[in-house]
Amino acid sequence: ETGVTQTPRHLVMGMTNKKSLKCEQHLGHNAMYWYKQSAKKPLELMFVYSLEERVENNSVPSRFSPECPNSSHLFLHLHTLQPEDSALYLCASSQVLLGSQYFGPGTRLLVL
Amino acid sequence: KQEVTQIPAALSVPEGENLVLNCSFTDSAIYNLQWFRQDPGKGLTSLLLIQSSQREQTSGRLNASLDKSSGRSTLYIAASQPGDSATYLCAVRVGTSGSRLTFGEGTQLTVNP
Repeated sequence: ETGVTQTPRHLVMGMTNKKSLKCEQHLGHNAMYWYKQSAKKPLELMFVYSLEERVENNSVPSRFSPECPNSSHLFLHLHTLQPEDSALYLCASSQVLLGSQYFGPGTRLLVL
Repeated sequence: KQEVTQIPAALSVPEGENLVLNCSFTDSAIYNLQWFRQDPGKGLTSLLLIQSSQREQTSGRLNASLDKSSGRSTLYIAASQPGDSATYLCAVRVGTSGSRLTFGEGTQLTVNP
């Protein structure tokens, strides 16, 4: 498998559920990112990891919890989400922080 | 705070036309600017990246220009094809702190056969 992969591609969850989104990059990159894309709004940066350390948290509510166990994997743990959290969640990676970002296909999340 | 605006929000053209997509940004202290393509329900594909010291970049039928002083970038698509139909996103990276990309809302392009 090449590039950036994300699982699951689609997820429906209730507000009391706990779920996790997974991202894996096969590019040997050192930086990984989570973005949120809502309808009619620009992409919003959520979290940035460089060499497995979080370097940016863009004022994201604590119901979103990222985890980067190694440079190839990035998780986004979800708990007690709200309906307004329904969106497309995109993962990206880059060789270094200043480099061109490569995106995965996204996870379409619906919170009921 | 950097703001990125893309005009028009949507564009429909017949096949074969040359077209220009516009991107403007409020803070000219950018590190680089990147153009992406997004197909419906899918992730983003990087098209072109222009460093702040560059004026333009070309890839095939695509040409992106950058005018930092006026806070503008354009994406020129030559001889458009139906396969070019997608949403085109512009993103700027501010300063040298590295991580933050600020995106515009995109231009939805439809090329009709």
